[in-house]
Amino acid sequence: TQLLEQSPQFLSIQEGENLTVYCNSSSVFSSLQWYRQEPGEGPVLLVTVVTGGEVKKLKRLTFQFGDARKDSSLHITAAQPGDTGLYLCAGRPVDQAGTALIFGKGTTLSVSS
Amino acid sequence: DSGVTQTPKHLITATGQRVTLRCSPRSGDLSVYWYQQSLDQGLQFLIQYYNGEERAKGNILERFSAQQFPDLHSELNLSSLELGDSALYFCASSVVADTQYFGPGTRLTVL
Repeated sequence: TQLLEQSPQFLSIQEGENLTVYCNSSSVFSSLQWYRQEPGEGPVLLVTVVTGGEVKKLKRLTFQFGDARKDSSLHITAAQPGDTGLYLCAGRPVDQAGTALIFGKGTTLSVSS
Repeated sequence: DSGVTQTPKHLITATGQRVTLRCSPRSGDLSVYWYQQSLDQGLQFLIQYYNGEERAKGNILERFSAQQFPDLHSELNLSSLELGDSALYFCASSVVADTQYFGPGTRLTVL
């Protein structure tokens, strides 16, 4: 059973479109992180959300942490080919303090020009 | 550039062999994490070290072992390699546990 479910698994869109990817769980998380990974490279941390209901913006990327801290979303406005990559969410459930960070399987985004 | 370095970048070896992957964490980071990433399993946590001591263990096979040295660099040793061990191996380091910085990875191919 995957503790962090990401959807969709794959997304292929045209440049300029908007998109949202989701990270869901039945567990409560103290925080969630979003990473972007390009082929053959390591994941790069984009943002950490900590407070339920929190919204963080990073240029055209908007991250939201659910009020109950069980889910998160990443919205990209006017996607560009440079946004192409694997988007991973990660976190640690509050009842598993001291254990390893758990990663979702990711959403593979392809933006074509 | 995350500040985490990993060597080698690529490694090709045969079944039954043993290899060592090396990781240098960001300056000042005491924690080092090792992950395995394959297409079907995603990013799987293997093991964590903190200031030289093993802190947490994940889905690490008995054929695999790791250590962290006094200068804080870490090595992951993989022995009796099997075809299924072919994967990307990442090292990450952190100061705060929930914010990890990943290295560029080592691509291991077992033939």
